[in-house]
Amino acid sequence: AQRVTQPEKLLSVFKGAPVELKCNYSYSGSPELFWYVQYSRQRLQLLLRHISRESIKGFTADLNKGETSFHLKKPFAQEEDSAMYYCALASNFGNEKLTFGTGTRLTIIP
Amino acid sequence: DTEVTQTPKHLVMGMTNKKSLKCEQHMGHRAMYWYKQKAKKPPELMFVYSYEKLSINESVPSRFSPECPNSSLLNLHLHALQPEDSALYLCASSQDLGRRPTYEQYFGPGTRLTVT
Repeated sequence: AQRVTQPEKLLSVFKGAPVELKCNYSYSGSPELFWYVQYSRQRLQLLLRHISRESIKGFTADLNKGETSFHLKKPFAQEEDSAMYYCALASNFGNEKLTFGTGTRLTIIP
Repeated sequence: DTEVTQTPKHLVMGMTNKKSLKCEQHMGHRAMYWYKQKAKKPPELMFVYSYEKLSINESVPSRFSPECPNSSLLNLHLHALQPEDSALYLCASSQDLGRRPTYEQYFGPGTRLTVT
């Protein structure tokens, strides 16, 4: 069975401070990990995925298979980063089931 | 058009009613999904369609009946729902299924359903 854990329901960070949203997963196969974001009054959208190794809006996330983690990081928080963040895992080949973590609501304090 | 649209935005229905939720995309995607999201919870997958055929049913009760009449349209027919079925129902689409890396899923804004 696959599982995604986001230990922080709420996270408040001052503007300009570093941000780290934690995500741990449990999966026996080779996972694909994603971060989805939902800004206020907007739809759920993909922020980044471990395969692409990109930096989106200043965010990065590295898949650590040893620690089964995929933490989301940004060196300097901005007010527009306030949103709900979900870590998600895609399972077996041919099965596009996305399992979401419980989410972390990030609030950037001006 | 790069959006997934859902209608209605809000729906209130009684336990004896029959209603339908509609989802549409014009991105040429061949996979479409229904998710259920309860308040303060993450989305949970209900159904996946691939090339208009049901690919995954996550043991959803039969009072929820999905339908994919064509590659652009996905419906969710509702009948004899319970108050605990009240939730935000999200539709999503992706280019296809069954490859690595997984195709991105594009989400609609959702239909807020209240069962009285």
